[in-house]
Amino acid sequence: EAGVVQSPRYKIIEKKQPVAFWCNPISGHNTLYWYRQNLGQGPELLIRYENEEAVDDSQLPKDRFSAERLKGVDSTLKIQPAELGDSAVYLCASSLAGNIQYFGAGTRLSVL
Amino acid sequence: DAKTTQPPSMDCAEGRAANLPCNHSTISGNEYVYWYRQIHSQGPQYIIHGLKNNETNEMASLIITEDRKSSTLILPHATLRDTAVYYCIVRAPKSGYALNFGKGTSLLVTP
Repeated sequence: EAGVVQSPRYKIIEKKQPVAFWCNPISGHNTLYWYRQNLGQGPELLIRYENEEAVDDSQLPKDRFSAERLKGVDSTLKIQPAELGDSAVYLCASSLAGNIQYFGAGTRLSVL
Repeated sequence: DAKTTQPPSMDCAEGRAANLPCNHSTISGNEYVYWYRQIHSQGPQYIIHGLKNNETNEMASLIITEDRKSSTLILPHATLRDTAVYYCIVRAPKSGYALNFGKGTSLLVTP
């Protein structure tokens, strides 16, 4: 069975440019998470979806970040415009009924 | 979720047992102890979880003290591929809430 798939694996952009990350969760998993991991730190939640509904987006910087999970399956996280401080690894995870979370390999973003 | 305390780093010789401690003195009665690890340039990987009884799977063993205020993750025969950051997380099961990773323990397995 395929795990959580994320793309791209790496992205380098200049500041003020837009960027988007894509996540395909494990089939049948209704809960999807986006985390951000800064260098030397543990991952921190950005947003959590239950099916297609965002149930926790309190840590998402809404002035420049947006996310969607159409049809309750794949999800996209967007940053527009990107800032230097957005350089980090963006991780997607999924779980079934809020149980064990399984993570993708992440997207490493470098903003120059 | 209860807060956990872990040593920032540990070393272990290849082939020996790695014992990673975690303190969670404020754990609630319905909270489980979860362990994840993150190998360099990969996403976190689930290892094991437990409530109060000791647990074992193909990856590791989890020993939880009787008062549940601390636990130890045991990798019985560490290999170089076990070098990673190990996170101890306390959380109610099936809550769906985000995992509070903290900084974890960086385990270095040496030849």
